[in-house]
Amino acid sequence: DQQVKQNSPSLSVQEGRISILNCDYTNSMFDYFLWYKKYPAEGPTFLISISSIKDKNEDGRFTVFLNKSAKHLSLHIVPSQPGDSAVYFCAATRAGGTSYGKLTFGQGTILTVHP
Amino acid sequence: DTAVSQTPKYLVTQMGNDKSIKCEQNLGHDTMYWYKQDSKKFLKIMFSYNNKELIINETVPNRFSPKSPDKAHLNLHINSLELGDSAVYFCASSQGGFNQPQHFGDGTRLSIL
Repeated sequence: DQQVKQNSPSLSVQEGRISILNCDYTNSMFDYFLWYKKYPAEGPTFLISISSIKDKNEDGRFTVFLNKSAKHLSLHIVPSQPGDSAVYFCAATRAGGTSYGKLTFGQGTILTVHP
Repeated sequence: DTAVSQTPKYLVTQMGNDKSIKCEQNLGHDTMYWYKQDSKKFLKIMFSYNNKELIINETVPNRFSPKSPDKAHLNLHINSLELGDSAVYFCASSQGGFNQPQHFGDGTRLSIL
């Protein structure tokens, strides 16, 4: 049973426009969420995160929104640049208990930004 | 300087063989992880070590055995390789804490013939 889902396998956006990547989760125990970016033949790199006590976190062109009641988060990239073309993974974890930083990943969304 | 390095990058071998993948991090982190990315592209945690102690051990066949000689290294040994073991294996590290981002290596693509 996949607890973190990214239902859009791919997204294509024009340079300069907004990219919105979505992620849904089913486990209500998750309280910390992260986005990773992955280029081909490389490992994922951390992009931005959000705690469940917040509903928004912003870092430059990247903003993550969290809707706890809907168990939904989204990553907004504004403005999108060709260099943003990559696979984006959503991940979730629990702050306490025995999670020990265990991340549960979605299956990724391929973002293509056209010049 | 490569922060998390895995060797080899590619591994092609036959069913039934035993192979190892090595991972080293120079970030001074105290926690290391192994993930498997299968054909459906899901990244799934396999193991995690904190200061050489096993803290996460997901439902992984006994043929997979992690070894951490020190906190900068976490190796993965796989016995009696099977076709279903074909995947990309990623090593990662973090400085403890659930809210510390994990840093990933570039992966090892394992192909079983």
